[in-house]
Amino acid sequence: GAGVSQSPRYKVAKRGQDVALRCDPISGHVSLFWYQQALGQGPEFLTYFQNEAQLDKSGLPSDRFFAERPEGSVSTLKIQRTQQEDSAVYLCASSRTGNEQYFGPGTRLTVT
Amino acid sequence: EDQVTQSPEALRLQEGESSSLNCSYTVSGLRGLFWYRQDPGKGPEFLFTLYSAGEEKEKERLKATLTKKESFLHITAPKPEDSATYLCAGATPGGSYIPTFGRGTSLIVHP
Repeated sequence: GAGVSQSPRYKVAKRGQDVALRCDPISGHVSLFWYQQALGQGPEFLTYFQNEAQLDKSGLPSDRFFAERPEGSVSTLKIQRTQQEDSAVYLCASSRTGNEQYFGPGTRLTVT
Repeated sequence: EDQVTQSPEALRLQEGESSSLNCSYTVSGLRGLFWYRQDPGKGPEFLFTLYSAGEEKEKERLKATLTKKESFLHITAPKPEDSATYLCAGATPGGSYIPTFGRGTSLIVHP
């Protein structure tokens, strides 16, 4: 079956631009997670949804980061006024139960 | 602060040379210990979840074990296709399994 998909796969943004990253989870998975992965590091938790409810956003690094999942399926991570330190791979994962997470391929964001 | 530390950072093995990767954790009230495999340019791929000390799980050439303070990923007779970064994560108590990941061990298996 189809896995988690993310788009775009690569995004280059000029400093100060806004970006929107999309995640299509596996159908029927109620839990959805966003992570940020810097080069040579493990993924760092950003935020978590159960259906359309954002239950934990403690990992969002600043108020420039915003995530939504309005219909409990597709999710969008938005970064406003991008900074160079936002350059990273953004990973999305979905899960039926929460413990076994299925990751998408990620979006590599480069801020110039 | 919850921490997950993996060692070694990098490991080079010859095909067939068995070894173990270590994951030590300081996670209050650990709710689960996860192992993932990550290939370059891809997202992590789920391997195992361990919930309690003494638990073991196996998949092909991989076996994961858990004690009260650490987990090991044993690789028996590895093949070049086992080359990848192996990530360990500890999940904290809460509404769901929010994992804290280690930095990973980069494994290269030479033919």
